[in-house]
Amino acid sequence: DVKVTQSSRYLVKRTGEKVFLECVQDMDHENMFWYRQDPGLGLRLIYFSYDVKMKEKGDIPEGYSVSREKKERFSLILESASTNQTSMYLCASSQQGLANTGELFFGEGSRLTVL
Amino acid sequence: GNSVTQMEGPVTLSEEAFLTINCTYTATGYPSLFWYVQYPGEGLQLLLKATKADDKGSNKGFEATYRKETTSFHLEKGSVQVSDSAVYFCALRPIQGAQKLVFGQGTRLTINP
Repeated sequence: DVKVTQSSRYLVKRTGEKVFLECVQDMDHENMFWYRQDPGLGLRLIYFSYDVKMKEKGDIPEGYSVSREKKERFSLILESASTNQTSMYLCASSQQGLANTGELFFGEGSRLTVL
Repeated sequence: GNSVTQMEGPVTLSEEAFLTINCTYTATGYPSLFWYVQYPGEGLQLLLKATKADDKGSNKGFEATYRKETTSFHLEKGSVQVSDSAVYFCALRPIQGAQKLVFGQGTRLTINP
């Protein structure tokens, strides 16, 4: 069964802390994504990676960075967490090129609360 | 630019009712269209898709038809069940081969027994 696994389902952090959200996929997908989900705003793309060490800013990259050192792992980093980053974070992956049907495979999400 | 607009939620229906969730889009060219569903406590999963005008996507009793003349992709189901309670997202892929999707804001659906 194909799988995207996010390391933490629930996190509570304090303002100013550094936060790491980890995502691993076992489908050998080239593309990986980090989205933020907020009520009434849908999914907003934070960052996209199309290959190891390659990344592209999404719609709302401010306050976030990412790391992709291995094909299967994509990390989202909040250098200094703020209360307005309290949200649900979703990781996704997809195939690339001609094999890309447009389907994204999502993890279960990481709900982050920043106090 | 590319965008997706869904009907405002939340939507509450009784079991066996008819469901429509409206979705309209703005895109240049010929996008592919998708409906994703998010069940409570889970990530999103693909429900159905359509890649060209007049295509109908269907799955689990849900249907949606790609209407280019009205730039719409409304989701329908003839008789909903309590297990259909979820958040539904409409999305588009702007052009063939594009790597990223554009999502609507989501519509929360609750079905009461």
